[in-house]
Amino acid sequence: QKEVEQNSGPLSVPEGAIASLNCTYSDRGSQSFFWYRQYSGKSPELIMSIYSNGDKEDGRFTAQLNKASQYVSLLIRDSQPSDSATYLCAVTGKSGYSTLTFGKGTMLLVSP
Amino acid sequence: DAGITQSPRHKVTETGTPVTLRCHQTENHRYMYWYRQDPGHGLRLIHYSYGVKDTDKGEVSDGYSVSRSKTEDFLLTLESATSSQTSVYFCAISEPGQGDYTFGSGTRLTVV
Repeated sequence: QKEVEQNSGPLSVPEGAIASLNCTYSDRGSQSFFWYRQYSGKSPELIMSIYSNGDKEDGRFTAQLNKASQYVSLLIRDSQPSDSATYLCAVTGKSGYSTLTFGKGTMLLVSP
Repeated sequence: DAGITQSPRHKVTETGTPVTLRCHQTENHRYMYWYRQDPGHGLRLIHYSYGVKDTDKGEVSDGYSVSRSKTEDFLLTLESATSSQTSVYFCAISEPGQGDYTFGSGTRLTVV
């Protein structure tokens, strides 16, 4: 059974700060990793994907992957109040196609 | 959400009654999924489909069945609704091997 662990939060940061969200996973063979953002009462939307060790940057977002430590993180630079949402980490398995397993999510609150 | 719609958006039903939720896509994606989202549990996979008439179980499939007779439609049936099935149900679509899911707007189901 794959497990994906995240701190539930809330993580509170002031506007303009860097928010750091973390995720660990249990299946050492997991190949693909994703971050979804979910606003309250809305559906999840994909914001980042990462497949290999290291960093991947997209605008204010940076995803970091360390497969040896089974650790994925998301950094949000220059945090804005509009970034306040729950961030879901998701991983796939190791063989062929497999479905996404989601963490329970971390709530981020960005105060003006 | 563009290309994927869920119906109904809200439903209240009585314990013991059958309930069917519908997911309709216009993206011609091969894969479709049903997840439920509950506080403290996050998103959990109920069933998924990898083609017309091809379906498989997820981690919380007991009490649910699915059908996919057309590429665009994926139905989730609660055979005899129980209070533990009160939840928000999300449908999602993707291309094979891709973890970038597009989610529907969700169905809030209350079983009384």
